[in-house]
Amino acid sequence: QSALTQPASVSGSPGQSITISCTGASSDVGSYNYVSWYQQHPGKAPKLMIYEVSIRPSGVSNRFSGSKSGYTASLTISGLQAEDEADYYCSSHTSSTTLGVFGTGTKVTVL
Amino acid sequence: QVQLQESGPGLVKPSETLSLTCTVSGYSISSGYYWGWIRQPPGKGLEWLGKIHHSGSTYDSPSLKSRVTMSLDTSKNQFSLKLVSMTAADTAVYYCARIPYSNPDFWGQGTLVTVSS
Repeated sequence: QSALTQPASVSGSPGQSITISCTGASSDVGSYNYVSWYQQHPGKAPKLMIYEVSIRPSGVSNRFSGSKSGYTASLTISGLQAEDEADYYCSSHTSSTTLGVFGTGTKVTVL
Repeated sequence: QVQLQESGPGLVKPSETLSLTCTVSGYSISSGYYWGWIRQPPGKGLEWLGKIHHSGSTYDSPSLKSRVTMSLDTSKNQFSLKLVSMTAADTAVYYCARIPYSNPDFWGQGTLVTVSS
């Protein structure tokens, strides 16, 4: 099972909006609404930011939003803040294995 | 709030077996969900090791070629991982997590395991 494809890096200035893509296939993102997004600061565990494509867990800022179109899921961060600088990973259910599949990860830099 | 905490050795010799335990609080592991293990080599991405259903059924990563064994201890609200034949390539931060379906929601803080003689 190949990893979902994410851009290696995305950057933006404070206050701007950025979007991170997560491209899969018909066996995963394209067929299931079980896509999650995680934020990982250096030396810390991943934190769930979005699940089931677009649902925010309690306590997650509404500046984070998720969507999906075809084989690509997206995470948008609006009103970018310094604290948003981190690595972001997507994850999806897949029919190819009994486990999920993670994305390759995207480093977000706040300029 | 669900909390998970990994425990185990930080250093393992090549060819030895890694044993890790995840202690869960705030939720009874026998009540539902899958419980899984994910690792992250230094500077790299996330990699699935496997998951165990609250009923005891296990699912491990084909890439690990049956090196993984997982178990539950419901009396202690813990689940465990054993990874045999460790090599330097297994050096990573190991996370345990709760898995509602295929994607984790709650994660442990992670434990760094180094393979070295």
